[in-house]
Amino acid sequence: AQRVTQPEKLLSVFKGAPVELKCNYSYSGSPELFWYVQYSRQRLQLLLRHISRESIKGFTADLNKGETSFHLKKPFAQEEDSAMYYCALSGGGSYIPTFGRGTSLIVHP
Amino acid sequence: DADVTQTPRNRITKTGKRIMLECSQTKGHDRMYWYRQDPGLGLRLIYYSFDVKDINKGEISDGYSVSRQAQAKFSLSLESAIPNQTALYFCATSDPTAWELFFGEGSRLTVL
Repeated sequence: AQRVTQPEKLLSVFKGAPVELKCNYSYSGSPELFWYVQYSRQRLQLLLRHISRESIKGFTADLNKGETSFHLKKPFAQEEDSAMYYCALSGGGSYIPTFGRGTSLIVHP
Repeated sequence: DADVTQTPRNRITKTGKRIMLECSQTKGHDRMYWYRQDPGLGLRLIYYSFDVKDINKGEISDGYSVSRQAQAKFSLSLESAIPNQTALYFCATSDPTAWELFFGEGSRLTVL
């Protein structure tokens, strides 16, 4: 079975502060991991996926297989980063994505 | 020109009523999904479909049914709605790799 854990329901920071949204997973094989974001009144959209090893809007995430983690990081948070963030895992032959419970990020001015 | 369109966007109904939420897509994807979003519980998979003839239950399919009328259309039905089915429902599509899901804007359902 595959499982995604996001331990923080809410993360509140000030503009310019570093941000780390935690994601841990449980999966026996080699997972595909993703971060999705949902801005206010917008649909869920892909932010980044680990296989691409890219930085989107200043966010990065590194897959740590030893710690089974895929934390999302940004060195300097901006107010427009305020949103709900979901970590997701896709694995196995069927590649059905499983989502975590989400972390609401609030960036104060 | 939304790629994934859900109707209705908002619906209030009463316990025991039959409700259908519809999803259509212009992405040309074979895979379609229905998720339910609840505060604190995140997104949970209700049903998914790999193609028109392949429909599968997700983790919370009880009380729901689906119909894949065509490659582009995937409907979710609540045969007899109950209050704990009050939630935001999302349709999504993907190609077989599922490396990116494309979501609709959501259908907010309230069951009184």
